[in-house]
Amino acid sequence: DQQVKQNSPSLSVQEGRISILNCDYTNSMFDYFLWYKKYPAEGPTFLISISSIKDKNEDGRFTVFLNKSAKHLSLHIVPSQPGDSAVYFCAARVMGGAQKLVFGQGTRLTINP
Amino acid sequence: DTGVSQDPRHKITKRGQNVTFRCDPISEHNRLYWYRQTLGQGPEFLTYFQNEAQLEKSRLLSDRFSAERPKGSFSTLEIQRTEQGDSAMYLCASSLAGRAYNEQFFGPGTRLTVL
Repeated sequence: DQQVKQNSPSLSVQEGRISILNCDYTNSMFDYFLWYKKYPAEGPTFLISISSIKDKNEDGRFTVFLNKSAKHLSLHIVPSQPGDSAVYFCAARVMGGAQKLVFGQGTRLTINP
Repeated sequence: DTGVSQDPRHKITKRGQNVTFRCDPISEHNRLYWYRQTLGQGPEFLTYFQNEAQLEKSRLLSDRFSAERPKGSFSTLEIQRTEQGDSAMYLCASSLAGRAYNEQFFGPGTRLTVL
């Protein structure tokens, strides 16, 4: 069962505009939600996180919103830049034990000049 | 470079052969994870070490897979009698336990192709 889902395999946005990436989850046993960015031939790089008790976290151009009632989170990037073109993974951290990450399938973001 | 390193970066092998991958975590990190990523999917958890103890294994980790972390430093992941379904990117991550939030840092991965 896919506990974390990213329903959009790809997204194309004009440079300077806002990019919004979405993620849904089905399990309530997650204590943190994270976004990772991945370039080809590299491992995922941590971008931003949010605790399950918060509803917003902001870091520069990146903001993550968490809607617990809808079990939905989103990543906003504004303004979008060409260097933001990458695959973005939503991940949820399982509470306790290994604190392993459960990842979504990823969304390929392309920023057009 | 003080990040997570993995070796080799690419491995091509024939079905039935054994392969071994190595991961060197960030030096002070006591937690080490292995994940597997197949095409079009996100990484999936395989196993977890705290220091030298392997504390959790996924159902994805069949009997042909074995992982070790001697002395709590580097880790190896061995796949015996490889199958074409083992073709994937194998990612290692490390983190530091004991903090409220312990970010997992990922290595570049080892891409395995089984012919």
